[in-house]
Amino acid sequence: GDSVTQMEGPVTLSEEAFLTINCTYTATGYPSLFWYVQYPGEGLQLLLKATKADDKGSNKGFEATYRKETTSFHLEKGSVQVSDSAVYFCALSEAGRRALTFGSGTRLQVQP
Amino acid sequence: NAGVMQNPRHLVRRRGQEARLRCSPMKGHSHVYWYRQLPEEGLKFMVYLQKENIIDESGMPKERFSAEFPKEGPSILRIQQVVRGDSAAYFCASSPDTKDGYTFGSGTRLTVV
Repeated sequence: GDSVTQMEGPVTLSEEAFLTINCTYTATGYPSLFWYVQYPGEGLQLLLKATKADDKGSNKGFEATYRKETTSFHLEKGSVQVSDSAVYFCALSEAGRRALTFGSGTRLQVQP
Repeated sequence: NAGVMQNPRHLVRRRGQEARLRCSPMKGHSHVYWYRQLPEEGLKFMVYLQKENIIDESGMPKERFSAEFPKEGPSILRIQQVVRGDSAAYFCASSPDTKDGYTFGSGTRLTVV
């Protein structure tokens, strides 16, 4: 079945550092790929998405590129802020299905 | 424009009791999804419903769990005879007819004592 693998956290960075959170996936078809962010005590918010190979999703300075050849969708940001501290989830949905398959999440802690 | 509303935010039940979790989708959204998040884990899909219909329940435990989305009123996730292992955060999401645009609620945190 489908699966999503993320790097384990926590990831601890200083403010203005470069961020990469790795995400790889296994799927039988051509899924859509997503990054969600969860702040403490809240639900998940969609951060960005990509629906086909080589698409780049971007939002709030975050970017991720759908790499079919490496089955990856790594999240990057050039300069993190303390307010980016949260848990980040990579997810996929198979074509024809609305259910999302999530990775286990990566906690990001940004220190001033 | 209110988002996805879940209640209660926190629910405590004793083993063997029933838990009822409610979810009101965003206005204009006719698709509802339930997910469960165990501590320090990602979300696991449970069930997908449209008004009065269960579309995909491949993630629902075979016993004790049920879900409905009636023509009027919120979607309900019902857990009968709760056990300690049911303690988790339960998230509801909704979407319009198009596949994009999943919106999550803030969740119900169920604790079974």
